Amino acid sequence: AQSVTQLDSQVPVFEEAPVELRCNYSSSVSVYLFWYVQYPNQGLQLLLKYLSGSTLVKGINGFEAEFNKSQTSFHLRKPSVHISDTAEYFCAVTRIFNAGGTSYGKLTFGQGTILTVHP
Amino acid sequence: GAGVSQTPSNKVTEKGKYVELRCDPISGHTALYWYRQSLGQGPEFLIYFQGTGAADDSGLPNDRFFAVRPEGSVSTLKIQRTERGDSAVYLCASGSFVNSPLHFGNGTRLTVT
Repeated sequence: AQSVTQLDSQVPVFEEAPVELRCNYSSSVSVYLFWYVQYPNQGLQLLLKYLSGSTLVKGINGFEAEFNKSQTSFHLRKPSVHISDTAEYFCAVTRIFNAGGTSYGKLTFGQGTILTVHP
Repeated sequence: GAGVSQTPSNKVTEKGKYVELRCDPISGHTALYWYRQSLGQGPEFLIYFQGTGAADDSGLPNDRFFAVRPEGSVSTLKIQRTERGDSAVYLCASGSFVNSPLHFGNGTRLTVT
């Protein structure tokens, strides 16, 4: 089984400051990693994903994340945040399952980190 | 291009009642997932459909929960004899192939009084 721990439930930060949202995962098999963002009253949107290759992944809205296999971490960073980045952020992992000849992913989410950007 | 549509957006029901939650995935997406998000928690997997069949229903909490996707498009999550603990946001997501990003709907907020 996989598990995801987001180390901070809430992160307050001032506008234009850098931010890091921390994510650690546990899995006995190789996984793929994701960050999703949920703005108020909206559905989850994919920010970025790591499937393979370069461990530094760039996503939308200036976010990036680094996969660290030895530390089983996938921290999300942004060098300068905006008010509009205020939202809840979810780290998630998936492994590939097989059932009836079909391969599919099944996301396991962390508890979420609420990022609040103050003016 | 419409995204994943979930109806209703809010549902209030009394304990013991039956409810149905609907999901319209993005056209052409064969993979469909249901998740449940309780207050202060991340979404938790409930069930996965590939086409019309439920390929993985390991996340359904008990036999009061059931989901169908009879024509491989729209899906309905059905909850019998609702309990207050069923109160949560129920999310639907669809995708086109393995490792493709999942597109989530805005969810249905279910409140059981």
